[in-house]
Amino acid sequence: DAMVIQNPRYQVTQFGKPVTLSCSQTLNHNVMYWYQQKSSQAPKLLFHYYDKDFNNEADTPDNFQSRRPNTSFCFLDIRSPGLGDAAMYLCATSRLRDTDTQYFGPGTRLTVL
Amino acid sequence: AQKITQTQPGMFVQEKEAVTLDCTYDTSDQSYGLFWYKQPSSGEMIFLIYQGSYDEQNATEGRYSLNFQKARKSANLVISASQLGDSAMYFCAMRENNYGQNFVFGPGTRLSVLP
Repeated sequence: DAMVIQNPRYQVTQFGKPVTLSCSQTLNHNVMYWYQQKSSQAPKLLFHYYDKDFNNEADTPDNFQSRRPNTSFCFLDIRSPGLGDAAMYLCATSRLRDTDTQYFGPGTRLTVL
Repeated sequence: AQKITQTQPGMFVQEKEAVTLDCTYDTSDQSYGLFWYKQPSSGEMIFLIYQGSYDEQNATEGRYSLNFQKARKSANLVISASQLGDSAMYFCAMRENNYGQNFVFGPGTRLSVLP
């Protein structure tokens, strides 16, 4: 089945130790998004790619970086995780029409020790 | 200013009853899309229903319907015949502009279905 896959589902890292979260899609969608979601809050958009065009949200900390080597894959790199970065990280994809919804992966829950 | 408002942080409903979750939005665009998502405790965001700004009829998908009142900028989700599995967070979201890339989410409503 076509889908959005995130690995790993659970990630534990140490304070300050770099971590990479991955997302892949078989939907061939132009746009890929990374969201951070803390408990009982709305997802907060970190950045998105439209094809290879990277779009960073103004309030996304420099500690967060992203790579999209091809249409199918997108990575979220957290260079020096702090305790405040513990959250669920959601990847989503979409085509580029206002009628098109986002399709979400299952998320990666990040714990920072 | 918030673009999406969900005024009900939490709602309770009896099993088999209908429930309405409120959503109001703010945009100056003529063309936009409105979406509802369900997020169970497992964390995955599940798309429920879509309403386009030019759609004259309210959207329906099974037990879900969207009460779209464009002049009031309101897009309430109605769940008929609630089931225990409907207990989850519900998010209203908007996609502005034709070919706009960004989705804006509301703060969510936690729905609890009582047996």
